[in-house]
This record gives sequence, C-alpha cells and structure tokens, in this order.
Amino acid sequence: NAGVTQTPKFQVLKTGQSMTLQCAQDMNHNSMYWYRQDPGMGLRLIYYSASEGTTDKGEVPNGYNVSRLNKREFSLRLESAAPSQTSVYFCASSAYHEQYFGPGTRLTVT
Amino acid sequence: QQPVQSPQAVILREGEDAVINCSSSKALYSVHWYRQKHGEAPVFLMILLKGGEQKGHDKISASFNEKKQQSSLYLTASQLSYSGTYFCGTELGSHYGQNFVFGPGTRLSVLP
Repeated sequence: NAGVTQTPKFQVLKTGQSMTLQCAQDMNHNSMYWYRQDPGMGLRLIYYSASEGTTDKGEVPNGYNVSRLNKREFSLRLESAAPSQTSVYFCASSAYHEQYFGPGTRLTVT
Repeated sequence: QQPVQSPQAVILREGEDAVINCSSSKALYSVHWYRQKHGEAPVFLMILLKGGEQKGHDKISASFNEKKQQSSLYLTASQLSYSGTYFCGTELGSHYGQNFVFGPGTRLSVLP
C-alpha cells in the first residue's frame, strides 16, 4: 500500500517548456487535489477533482491544466512554464475530509 | 479568505505547552489541522466540524468556537517530535474541496 505517489521528485525547466506532474493513489479515494507551496504562503489549491471525470478550479488555477485519467490518477500540466511557477507541488487524495499527501515535486523554472 | 493564524512562530522547551490559533472572517463549516515537518508532506491531525466539539488525541487537542469562527490547537507537555509547521485549513460548506483554504502556518520549534 504505497498511499499517494508523485513523479518526478525534482524537475528543472526552462521558461516556456511544458511538463506534466503525475500523481496516483491506491486508497480508492474519490477526491484528489493539487496544491503548490511557496515559502511563507502555506499551501494553495490549484485544482481538485471530487470524483472521476470531474475537475474544478481552486484558488490559483492560472497557467495549469489537469486531467483525472481514472479514479487512481490525477495529473497536472504546465503548458508554458514561467519562473513564477517555481514551487513545491503536492498531490493529495481523500475519501471524505482527511487528506493524504504525496511526497511532493520540487519544480524550478529558470 | 485565507484564515489567519497566530502566532507566526513559537519556540518552546520540551515539556512546555503551546496554543496555536486560527480565525476566519467567514462562517465556517469545519476546521482542519495539519502538521508538516521540514522537507516532508503535511500530515492530518484532526478535524472539527460545526458544533464546537473539542477533539484530541495523546497530548494534542483542539476546539472550535463557531460564534467567533475561531479554532485553537493545544499542545501540552510538548515533545521534540512536535516540532514542525502547523496549518489550519477551513471550509465554508459541506461540499468538500470547493472552499477549502489553508492558513499560512505556525512554525513550532521544541528545544531540549
């Protein structure tokens, strides 16, 4: 039982490049989330998915797209990376209220 | 509508007590508490639903004052393992996720 897994763990991009962050959970949770964490800002919700086939914007969705591929997987795509997107990205899942977080992806955009 | 947390940081000696507060300007449905150790993912501690019930496990407990839209996290007889950043998260309704917002965090350091 791996819980929530994220790939990659680290990534460096140049401005304008694109990439997809992968997230998968094996707890049969309906809800999944993507957050970004910047120093002193806490965690900010980018997108969430209440169930397979549905996605909704969170607090800071601009510059990102998501795909809920199936119940297990929820990916986050940066189409044209910008330095302002340098951050640590966390994926989380929940059955009801308690969220389980993945280990995070540290992304640097130069 | 990010909740406000206080204090921003606190330093304790092992065995001392601490209180971390979380307040919102909006009517809240629930308050969540998470702890994040440096370089790790946040870990869920507890949730308090509308109703003001106090919860806790071990020496960490929390309360929720609906009238004031405030929650407090109580850490008693702190241990070195309590060090980390504590985040409250608030939601405005029962449709989870749509209105969920984390506070900026309170950094707790427990010294021997």
